[in-house]
Amino acid sequence: QSALTQPASVSGSPGQSITISCTGTSSDVGGHNYVSWYQQYPGKAPKLMIYEVSNRPSGVSNRFSASKSGNTASLTISGLQAEDEADYYCSSKRSSSTLGIFGGGTKLTVL
Amino acid sequence: EVQLVESGGGLVKPGGSLRLSCAASGFTFSSYTMNWVRQAPGKGLEWVSSIKSGSTYIYYADSVKGRFTISRDNAKNSLYLQMNSLRAEDTAVYYCARDHGAYDSDYWGQGTLVTVSS
Repeated sequence: QSALTQPASVSGSPGQSITISCTGTSSDVGGHNYVSWYQQYPGKAPKLMIYEVSNRPSGVSNRFSASKSGNTASLTISGLQAEDEADYYCSSKRSSSTLGIFGGGTKLTVL
Repeated sequence: EVQLVESGGGLVKPGGSLRLSCAASGFTFSSYTMNWVRQAPGKGLEWVSSIKSGSTYIYYADSVKGRFTISRDNAKNSLYLQMNSLRAEDTAVYYCARDHGAYDSDYWGQGTLVTVSS
């Protein structure tokens, strides 16, 4: 099963906003509201940043927001900071499996 | 504080076996579904397996079905992954993760590296 489609890289300057897309199908992203986003620093474990499309776990900055339209989910980071430079992965339930599916990951560079 | 600590990784030859362990603390382990997720070097994340709190339901990715076995011991607050018939493509960091209930995971261990090579 192919991974969800994310851009390989995005970049932005401090203070700017960036958006990372995550495109799937009606069998995964578009079929329900179980879309999540993770942040991962090199050599570290992923951290849950968003769950159920747009909800932030306790402790996650409100500079991180997310939404979904059709088969595409999006993560927006506003007021970019140097510490936001990391890899970001989306994840979704998929109808054909009891396990989820991840996106290929997006490397965010803060210029 | 929730802590998940994996162990058991290492170098193994193709066709060999390895058993990973994950020691959990800081939460009621027996109440949570637990997951294994892996990441090949320089690659993305991949769901491997999931086990419900009472071991009643177990799920595997197609890529490991028939070769890997997930289990847990709630009395010992431990999660396991028995990996048999290992292949080069199983080389990855394996993470133990607590299920968040929405096809996601809210706490992750630091990972343990499994290298399959002759």
